[in-house]
Amino acid sequence: EPEVTQTPSHQVTQMGQEVILRCVPISNHLYFYWYRQILGQKVEFLVSFYNNEISEKSEIFDDQFSVERPDGSNFTLKIRSTKLEDSAMYFCASAGRGQFFGPGTRLTVL
Amino acid sequence: QKEVEQNSGPLSVPEGAIASLNCTYSDRVSQSFFWYRQYSGKSPELIMSIYSNGDKEDGRFTAQLNKASQYVSLLIRDSQPSDSATYLCATAAHPGGTSYGKLTFGQGTILTVHP
Repeated sequence: EPEVTQTPSHQVTQMGQEVILRCVPISNHLYFYWYRQILGQKVEFLVSFYNNEISEKSEIFDDQFSVERPDGSNFTLKIRSTKLEDSAMYFCASAGRGQFFGPGTRLTVL
Repeated sequence: QKEVEQNSGPLSVPEGAIASLNCTYSDRVSQSFFWYRQYSGKSPELIMSIYSNGDKEDGRFTAQLNKASQYVSLLIRDSQPSDSATYLCATAAHPGGTSYGKLTFGQGTILTVHP
């Protein structure tokens, strides 16, 4: 059964550094998403992406964040200058009949 | 503010019993409703979707939707210890007529099924 994959599974970075989180959505899906979940809190929407452009973004998704689909398979989330409060699980999802989540990347900002 | 509310629990049921999980939502433009299961440290796993008023059954799971009351529920029959997890309710609107809008999640209900 096709799955969403994400790399790395865990990323540790220093505050102010740039990080890129990578995702490979399910191959025939056209809609892609990033969500995050701070420990003990709700899953929060960050951004949705369709037809090579952002279709919707949340207030969290400020100028420090960007997304890209650099080729036909990968979908990336870049955080330009990480903050302590960016520490969270970041989930990529892609949509067919419902949204299917990848295993997540745990980002730890020190 | 668009909210999805769930009782955080924990909800504890004996093995073989019916577990009943509830969710209310405030945004009347919500059109799609989902139940996800999340094991500790893992990602949300889609278990049910429902779009129309009434009941939808899939194996041991039944989702119920009442748009007038803005209420969604999930029943798990013959609960098993492996069902012990956090159950997340999520809603989505349909921007531009699509069915792929952002998900708004509740905080989740912790379910424990004890042998």
